[in-house]
Amino acid sequence: GAVVSQHPSWVICKSGTSVKIECRSLDFQATTMFWYRQFPKQSLMLMATSNEGSKATYEQGVEKDKFLINHASLTLSTLTVTSAHPEDSSFYICSATRSGEGAYEQYFGPGTRLTVT
Amino acid sequence: AQKITQTQPGMFVQEKEAVTLDCTYDTSDPSYGLFWYKQPSSGEMIFLIYQGSYDQQNATEGRYSLNFQKARKSANLVISASQLGDSAMYFCAMRENAGGTSYGKLTFGQGTILTVHP
Repeated sequence: GAVVSQHPSWVICKSGTSVKIECRSLDFQATTMFWYRQFPKQSLMLMATSNEGSKATYEQGVEKDKFLINHASLTLSTLTVTSAHPEDSSFYICSATRSGEGAYEQYFGPGTRLTVT
Repeated sequence: AQKITQTQPGMFVQEKEAVTLDCTYDTSDPSYGLFWYKQPSSGEMIFLIYQGSYDQQNATEGRYSLNFQKARKSANLVISASQLGDSAMYFCAMRENAGGTSYGKLTFGQGTILTVHP
């Protein structure tokens, strides 16, 4: 159990367009979902924390108007990169914690590789 | 200041040998958790092992063990009997429980690339 999926696994888009990435917990309800960004051979940087039914909490330096996060249900969170530019090209990973647990473990999705041309 | 520090950008080990990946952390929170994740070239994050700050014993999971030295604020990962499939990036991470709020926010170290030679 505790499987998290992401869709799409990779996407190429043109500069100026918007891209939506979905993160789903397949076999559990996720109280909280997290969105990370990772550049090649670097660490994961937390972008935002989203709780179902409430506004996401963004980390310092992350533009909330550019990276729109919607946690519509206990099994789905979406990240929309608006007006994407080449510098937004990165590996985006989501994770989720189960409802009712003391946040012992985060379950990670397989990641989405975004390339903006 | 860095909350999680991994000082080894890259490590090499011979197959079947043991290897230690270093991790030091900084927190004033008495309640925290330390994690190690493996990230192969595919990008997925694989959970390896967890150590809670109040755990008396060092955590072990199969070939993985965590050398937890609380006074030194270190949480090194030991991989015994290395296998070729262990070649990957390894991340140390910490979850703090400031004020009793434990919603699981993790802070990651810079990572260590481990290469296992045959």
